[in-house]
Amino acid sequence: DGGITQSPKYLFRKEGQNVTLSCEQNLNHDAMYWYRQDPGQGLRLIYYSQIVNDFQKGDIAEGYSVSREKKESFPLTVTSAQKNPTAFYLCASSPGTGEPPAKNIQYFGAGTRLSVL
Amino acid sequence: AQSVTQLGSHVSVSEGALVLLRCNYSSSVPPYLFWYVQYPNQGLQLLLKYTSAATLVKGINGFEAEFKKSETSFHLTKPSAHMSDAAEYFCAVSDQRFPGAGSYQLTFGKGTKLSVIP
Repeated sequence: DGGITQSPKYLFRKEGQNVTLSCEQNLNHDAMYWYRQDPGQGLRLIYYSQIVNDFQKGDIAEGYSVSREKKESFPLTVTSAQKNPTAFYLCASSPGTGEPPAKNIQYFGAGTRLSVL
Repeated sequence: AQSVTQLGSHVSVSEGALVLLRCNYSSSVPPYLFWYVQYPNQGLQLLLKYTSAATLVKGINGFEAEFKKSETSFHLTKPSAHMSDAAEYFCAVSDQRFPGAGSYQLTFGKGTKLSVIP
C-alpha cells in the first residue's frame, strides 16, 4: 500500500538530548513537509523540501533540523535548542508537479507524539 | 499572504442534525481550498477540494462544501451527523508565499472540533 510512515509513534526526550523523527513515503512525491501541532493552534510548518538535497525553513524552524538525501525520506531532528518540544509532529508529502490543485494536495502520516521526560 | 479563519473552535451537534463548519479565507489570487479531517491521534485525511470546476464540492463521508467568492467562504456541511463524524476538521488554502518548482504550501486554519451528541 502506498503511503507515509512515521516512526516512532511515541517518543520521549531527555533534557539536552537530540531526537530524530522518521518519515518515509512510497508515493513517489517530490515535496515533503514537517508540521508541529499544538492544541488549539492548528498546524504550523517547520520545514519543507521540494526536491532531493534541498529544503527551506517554514514558520517555526528554530530548534529543528532536517535532511533530504533520498526522495522517499525526510527525517526531522529536534535539537536541544528547542526548549518546548512537547507536541504532535506530522509529516506530509505532495506530488509537487503537475496541475493544481492536484499537485498541492498533501497526504499525511499518522504522526509522532513527542514528550519531555 | 493567504490566511484561513475557522469560526468556532468547538461545535456540538445532535446525531442526525445538520453539521455546519465555517471557513473564511483571504487570498489575493483565486485560491485552491481544502477540507481535511483528523481523528484522535491520527494524521489528516483529505475530505474534499475546491477546483473551480464547480462551486458545490462533494467529498467523502457525505460532506460537501460550497465556494462563495462574494463571501470569501468555503463552509463545510453534512445534512445528518453521525457519531463517527466526531473529529477535528481543518480548512486549508494554497499559499503562494513559497513558489518554487511547482510546489505550493498549504496554510491551515486552527481547526474546529466536532462533537456529536447521541
